[in-house]
Amino acid sequence: DVKVTQSSRYLVKRTGEKVFLECVQDMDHENMFWYRQDPGLGLRLIYFSYDVKMKEKGDIPEGYSVSREKKERFSLILESASTNQTSMYLCASSPRDRGARTEAFFGQGTRLTVV
Amino acid sequence: AQKVTQAQTEISVVEKEDVTLDCVYETRDTTYYLFWYKQPPSGELVFLIRRNSFDEQNEISGRYSWNFQKSTSSFNFTITASQVVDSAVYFCALSSHNTDKLIFGTGTRLQVFP
Repeated sequence: DVKVTQSSRYLVKRTGEKVFLECVQDMDHENMFWYRQDPGLGLRLIYFSYDVKMKEKGDIPEGYSVSREKKERFSLILESASTNQTSMYLCASSPRDRGARTEAFFGQGTRLTVV
Repeated sequence: AQKVTQAQTEISVVEKEDVTLDCVYETRDTTYYLFWYKQPPSGELVFLIRRNSFDEQNEISGRYSWNFQKSTSSFNFTITASQVVDSAVYFCALSSHNTDKLIFGTGTRLQVFP
């Protein structure tokens, strides 16, 4: 059974803290994604990685950075958490398969609250 | 630039009604891929369908059907004889042949009442 696992389901952090959200996939996928989901705004892409150490900014990268040192792991970093980063964070992975373009698989989400 | 628009924020129907969820997309690419995902109350996104831009054939899967029209840049999703278990948020998404980036719409919340 394919799996994308996010390290925490719920997190509460203080303003100014450095926060790490971890995501691991076991499908040997090249692509990994971080989205945030807010009511009325849908899923907005924060960062996208298409290979180890490779990354591309999404639509809302400000205040975030990412790390992909190993193929199976993609970390989202909030350098200095702020209350406006309180949100649901979703990780996804997909294979690089331009011919078939299979779907992305999603983790269960991390609900982050910054107080 | 790529964009997906789901103009319907929320739809409420009574069980057994048919319902159509609209999706309009924008892309400059000639080869692209469209997706629908379901997000039930549990939160995890569930893949429903993928459609390639060069395949305009409509698809039916049980009570679900999809209407892809390149002329209007739309990829609409119809649920026939809706059930309470269909209550969820539904997302339409787009990726192009040139990049693996996956862009989502804002979602439509469907509530089916018994």
